[in-house]
Amino acid sequence: DVKVTQSSRYLVKRTGEKVFLECVQDMDHENMFWYRQDPGLGLRLIYFSYDVKMKEKGDIPEGYSVSREKKERFSLILESASTNQTSMYLCASSLIGSAGGGELFFGEGSRLTVL
Amino acid sequence: RKEVEQDPGPFNVPEGATVAFNCTYSNSASQSFFWYRQDCRKEPKLLMSVYSSGNEDGRFTAQLNRASQYISLLIRDSKLSDSATYLCVVNPPGTALIFGKGTTLSVSS
Repeated sequence: DVKVTQSSRYLVKRTGEKVFLECVQDMDHENMFWYRQDPGLGLRLIYFSYDVKMKEKGDIPEGYSVSREKKERFSLILESASTNQTSMYLCASSLIGSAGGGELFFGEGSRLTVL
Repeated sequence: RKEVEQDPGPFNVPEGATVAFNCTYSNSASQSFFWYRQDCRKEPKLLMSVYSSGNEDGRFTAQLNRASQYISLLIRDSKLSDSATYLCVVNPPGTALIFGKGTTLSVSS
């Protein structure tokens, strides 16, 4: 089975802190994604990556950056966390398609609270 | 017009009922369509892909109407375990999958 592992299930940070959310997948997938999910707003794409060192902005990239130095790892960085970044963050990976046309496999999510 | 629209529900049905969810999408060039299921406090998981000819998987039937830019999911003989949020997902060309906000189903005994 494909496994997507997110490093932290629950985090509490203070406003202004730098936050790293790590995601690792074990199936050699080319595509990796970061979404956030909020009540009433659904899943919104922050960034995605087709390959190592490549990244593309999604719908809501402001306040976030990403890093993909290795194929299996895709990190989401909040340079200076703000309270409006309190959310559930979901990492996903997929094998085929230039932009996720294949099945997405999600991690269990990281619930971030910014105080 | 929003890219992918779903009725948020909730749909509250008794066990054994048949329930249908609808979804519309705005980009007529979209090529791939899916239904994902998300249980409470869990990650979304693929339920089924949606093909032009329609497809069935046990009690679940998915239909696509390209002319009307409309996707549906029919669940027959609802079970308690079907309670979840169902996400309509569309793949427009040149971009990542777009998720609808989801339709919540609650099946009661």
